[in-house]
Amino acid sequence: RKEVEQDPGPFNVPEGATVAFNCTYSNSASQSFFWYRQDCRKEPKLLMSVYSSGNEDGRFTAQLNRASQYISLLIRDSKLSDSATYLCVVNYNYGQNFVFGPGTRLSVLP
Amino acid sequence: EPEVTQTPSHQVTQMGQEVILRCVPISNHLYFYWYRQILGQKVEFLVSFYNNEISEKSEIFDDQFSVERPDGSNFTLKIRSTKLEDSAMYFCASRRLGQPQHFGDGTRLSIL
Repeated sequence: RKEVEQDPGPFNVPEGATVAFNCTYSNSASQSFFWYRQDCRKEPKLLMSVYSSGNEDGRFTAQLNRASQYISLLIRDSKLSDSATYLCVVNYNYGQNFVFGPGTRLSVLP
Repeated sequence: EPEVTQTPSHQVTQMGQEVILRCVPISNHLYFYWYRQILGQKVEFLVSFYNNEISEKSEIFDDQFSVERPDGSNFTLKIRSTKLEDSAMYFCASRRLGQPQHFGDGTRLSIL
């Protein structure tokens, strides 16, 4: 069964904090991985792709562990504008099926 | 920056009626998708479409649903005989080969 699980959240953190989200996927044949963010009642927006070697984009760092079927997202120096739901997305079948996790909600507090 | 556009932004329909949701993918994208998100729940894959045919569909995408690319720009989702439980946000997405998906801002479908 193709499933993606995430930390249930919500995470409430003060501005400037570092926060990490975890995601696990059940299908070992999955091929590509992404983090999206979704603001309330809006569309998902791509935050970053996740590469096998890990990758960083400013304050955001993504890691992939294929052996453990685990993906993470680290946000450093969190801003109020980081408040959103973070969605872990896993691709199967060479781009024909993208499975979304349930999301982890983050609230950054002043 | 090019965008995926969806119309209408909100559709209200009586139960049992047919509804067509429209999407204009980004122009040089070849892969198209529909997702739905029931309020408070996760984004669910419905169908993917490439080269004028369905590539994959989920269990949700039953005979009530169909997709079409009637011309070079539009990609539509038709829901026949709508049910109350079809009320959701419907997102269209498109992408190029090897690239992540870009989403439209969705159509909110309300079935009365």
